[in-house]
Amino acid sequence: AQSVSQHNHHVILSEAASLELGCNYSYGGTVNLFWYVQYPGQHLQLLLKYFSGDPLVKGIKGFEAEFIKSKFSFNLRKPSVQWSDTAEYFCAVNPGKGSYIPTFGRGTSLIVHP
Amino acid sequence: KAGVTQTPRYLIKTRGQQVTLSCSPISGHRSVSWYQQTPGQGLQFLFEYFSETQRNKGNFPGRFSGRQFSNSRSEMNVSTLELGDSALYLCASSLAGGQGYEQYFGPGTRLTVT
Repeated sequence: AQSVSQHNHHVILSEAASLELGCNYSYGGTVNLFWYVQYPGQHLQLLLKYFSGDPLVKGIKGFEAEFIKSKFSFNLRKPSVQWSDTAEYFCAVNPGKGSYIPTFGRGTSLIVHP
Repeated sequence: KAGVTQTPRYLIKTRGQQVTLSCSPISGHRSVSWYQQTPGQGLQFLFEYFSETQRNKGNFPGRFSGRQFSNSRSEMNVSTLELGDSALYLCASSLAGGQGYEQYFGPGTRLTVT
């Protein structure tokens, strides 16, 4: 069975700091990878996704993630965070073929101080 | 376009009872997925319905069931409630579900079992 590990449970940064949230998964086959974000009081929403092609994917609000197949990783990055990036971030993986049964990480709570 | 709606938003039940939660997907979306979110286990996939058929299923006991109607609205039922069923239940809809389609999440139903 696949699993997803998010190493940082809580991250606190000041505005303009750089962000990198770790995500590792365990699954031997082809995968589709996602990052979701949940802003305070809002619904969970898709930040970015990787299905195939360029391993560096760009999402909304200046976020990007890099898929490193050899490391089973899909880390989320942003060069300069803003107070409005305060949110819960979830990494998710789904087998690239066959049944659609996504597995989510436990989430990382990001607080950005102005 | 209206988003995914879930009713009720909050629910309190006692052990042994059963509960039915409802989800109305975005207009035109034919796939509805259900998730359970708890502090201990994170976000876990329950099942996905597409065109009134359960297409995928997560690793939950048979007490958890669902159905989808011809208008794509979906209901989830939990029978013989246990304290551990206390959670936020999220519904997500997508155009066709499966690998290539973005999911849109609803606000969730907060179920408390006493």
